[in-house]
Amino acid sequence: QKEVEQDPGPLSVPEGAIVSLNCTYSNSAFQYFMWYRQYSRKGPELLMYTYSSGNKEDGRFTAQVDKSSKYISLFIRDSQPSDSATYLCAPGSAGNQFYFGTGTSLTVIP
Amino acid sequence: NAGVMQNPRHLVRRRGQEARLRCSPMKGHSHVYWYRQLPEEGLKFMVYLQKENIIDESGMPKERFSAEFPKEGPSILRIQQVVRGDSAAYFCASSPSYTGELFFGEGSRLTVL
Repeated sequence: QKEVEQDPGPLSVPEGAIVSLNCTYSNSAFQYFMWYRQYSRKGPELLMYTYSSGNKEDGRFTAQVDKSSKYISLFIRDSQPSDSATYLCAPGSAGNQFYFGTGTSLTVIP
Repeated sequence: NAGVMQNPRHLVRRRGQEARLRCSPMKGHSHVYWYRQLPEEGLKFMVYLQKENIIDESGMPKERFSAEFPKEGPSILRIQQVVRGDSAAYFCASSPSYTGELFFGEGSRLTVL
């Protein structure tokens, strides 16, 4: 069983839509959860960093963690063409490696 | 505050040569991670280091690959006797603590001819 599962997409939405990106993970010891955005041929850029269960909001982005179901989500409101990228989830635990999903490719159409 | 610096950005090697990839973490960060990314694939963990110590190298191939993070200077990922299968993007990330966020560099793209 993989540590992290993420639907690769591709996902295509019109500008202004609400986007929902999801991951599931297998290790109940994971406590830290990150979301990254990666543009083609660039390094991953940290979007959100959360600890344990709950929601965290930052501008148009909301990260949600449900540890009981081992399910993590990233919501993007009012999506923009500049949001077109690959989104990676990365759960982990203190002092250990973070496991990355394979990424979901998102295209926002103007 | 400069971000994570990786060099070289692009490296071409012939089979059997050595590749050395360097990573300077963000100021104040003492934790360094190396990941490898193949086209259309996710980031695969290789090694996690703290100053002068290897914390987790469970993702490193047992042969030809080594990593260090000396007290002074950048972290180095070394690949000896490269093969075509080593062609990939290698990303370094740094963190201020063992519970901190990971900040990535722009990567080093290795091509083995």
